[in-house]
Amino acid sequence: SQTIHQWPATLVQPVGSPLSLECTVEGTSNPNLYWYRQAAGRGLQLLFYSVGIGQISSEVPQNLSASRPQDRQFILSSKKLLLSDSGFYLCAWDSDRSYGYTFGSGTRLTVV
Amino acid sequence: GDSVTQMEGPVTLSEEAFLTINCTYTATGYPSLFWYVQYPGEGLQLLLKATKADDKGSNKGFEATYRKETTSFHLEKGSVQVSDSAVYFCVLRASNDYKLSFGAGTTVTVRA
Repeated sequence: SQTIHQWPATLVQPVGSPLSLECTVEGTSNPNLYWYRQAAGRGLQLLFYSVGIGQISSEVPQNLSASRPQDRQFILSSKKLLLSDSGFYLCAWDSDRSYGYTFGSGTRLTVV
Repeated sequence: GDSVTQMEGPVTLSEEAFLTINCTYTATGYPSLFWYVQYPGEGLQLLLKATKADDKGSNKGFEATYRKETTSFHLEKGSVQVSDSAVYFCVLRASNDYKLSFGAGTTVTVRA
C-alpha cells in the first residue's frame, strides 16, 4: 500500500534561518506531489506542485522554493525564514487527477 | 476561477445531534467534489468524494450528494459523536486540474 511520510512534525526556527522540510512517498511511482500551507485560522494555500523529477510549478511567489531530486521525494526550502512563514505545512500526493490527494501528517513551523 | 464557499463555524453540537455543513461551489465543466476532515494536530484525511452529478459519497455515517442544479455538496450526519469533533473542508477539483480548491473549513465541536 502507499504511504506518505513527512518530517519533522514540529519545528521552531529563528527569523533569517534556513528551512528544509522533506516528504517521501512509498508504494507508488511517478506520483504528483504537492506542498500546501495552512496559516492559523485560514484555509489551505497551494505553494508548489510537481508532476515529475526536476519539474516544479510555483503557485505563489514568496521566499520558499521546492525541489524534487528523486521520483518520490519532495523538499520545501527557504534560505531565510520570515515571521510570516509560520504555519502548518502539508505534503500530498496523487496519481490520478480524477480523485483527491492523500496528505501527510504535516509539519508545524513556528518562526520566532 | 473555481471556488468553494462553505458554512462558517464554529459549530457546537451535543452528541447524537444532526449535523449539516453547507457547501456551494463555482466551477466550469464537471468538477469532482470532496469532503476532507482534519482532526486536532493532524493532517487532512479524505472523508468522502463524488465525481459526477447526483453521486452520493458516504463514509463513517457522513453523506454528501453532488447537486449540479444547485451547485452544492452539503455534508450531513444523522447522529454525531464526540470523536467527530474536527475541522471539515469542502474541496473541489476541476476536470484534469492538478490543483484542489479548498473551502475555508468549518470547525465542529461535539459535546458529550
